[in-house]
Amino acid sequence: ETGVTQSPTHLIKTRGQQVTLRCSSQSGHNTVSWYQQALGQGPQFIFQYYREEENGRGNFPPRFSGLQFPNYSSELNVNALELDDSALYLCASSFSTKGDIQYFGAGTRLSVL
Amino acid sequence: GESVGLHLPTLSVQEGDNSIINCAYSNSASDYFIWYKQESGKGPQFIIDIRSNMDKRQGQRVTVLLNKTVKHLSLQIAATQPGDSAVYFCAENMGDYGGATNKLIFGTGTLLAVQP
Repeated sequence: ETGVTQSPTHLIKTRGQQVTLRCSSQSGHNTVSWYQQALGQGPQFIFQYYREEENGRGNFPPRFSGLQFPNYSSELNVNALELDDSALYLCASSFSTKGDIQYFGAGTRLSVL
Repeated sequence: GESVGLHLPTLSVQEGDNSIINCAYSNSASDYFIWYKQESGKGPQFIIDIRSNMDKRQGQRVTVLLNKTVKHLSLQIAATQPGDSAVYFCAENMGDYGGATNKLIFGTGTLLAVQP
C-alpha cells in the first residue's frame, strides 16, 4: 500500500453533471498530481498541486479544476461532464515537485452516461 | 512531440524465465525515468527508477537499463512469477516541461502474461 487514498472508488454520472473526486496524500508528501487513464491507455497528466497552488497543467480544458488543502489533501473537480470523461482518475503524491517518485492511489472509476 | 512508447504491447513468458520489457522515449533532455506495474483494478505501483547519469540500476529481481544514445529503456525481471502478471509502464519525468514540474509522461503499456 502506498498510503495514498482516493474516494469514491466508483462513480456514475450523467452528461452535463459535475463531479468531485478526493485524494489524501501519503504522510510527509506536499505535492499531489492528478492523472486520467482511459481504458487500455497510459495515464495522462491533468495537473499538479504544490502548497495549495496549481503547479503545472496538461492538455485538459478549464472545466477540469482542482484544490489542495493545508493538510495537502486534494480534490479534482470536473464540470459539464462529457461521455469521453469516462476513465480511471488517479492521484499521485510525492515528496516534492522535482524528480521524486510519485506514489499512486487506487483511483476513482468514473462512468459518464 | 512528447511520447514514451513501448515496442511490445503483449509479452507472454513461462514461469521461471526472465522477462524483458522495452521502452523508447522521445525527449533527449529527460533525466529521470520510472517503471510502474499496474494490476487490474489498482493504481500504478512503483517498481524502480533511474536517472540519466546512470545506465543500469538493480533492485530485487528487477534491473533497469538506460541507453541515452538511442533513447531506450528496458526492464528486466528475473525468474518471472505468476504474481508478476500485470501491465508495465515506463514513464518519463518531464521536470520543468511546459512549466510543470514532476510531470510524468506514460507510454501505452506492455501486458506481461506469465504462463505456469
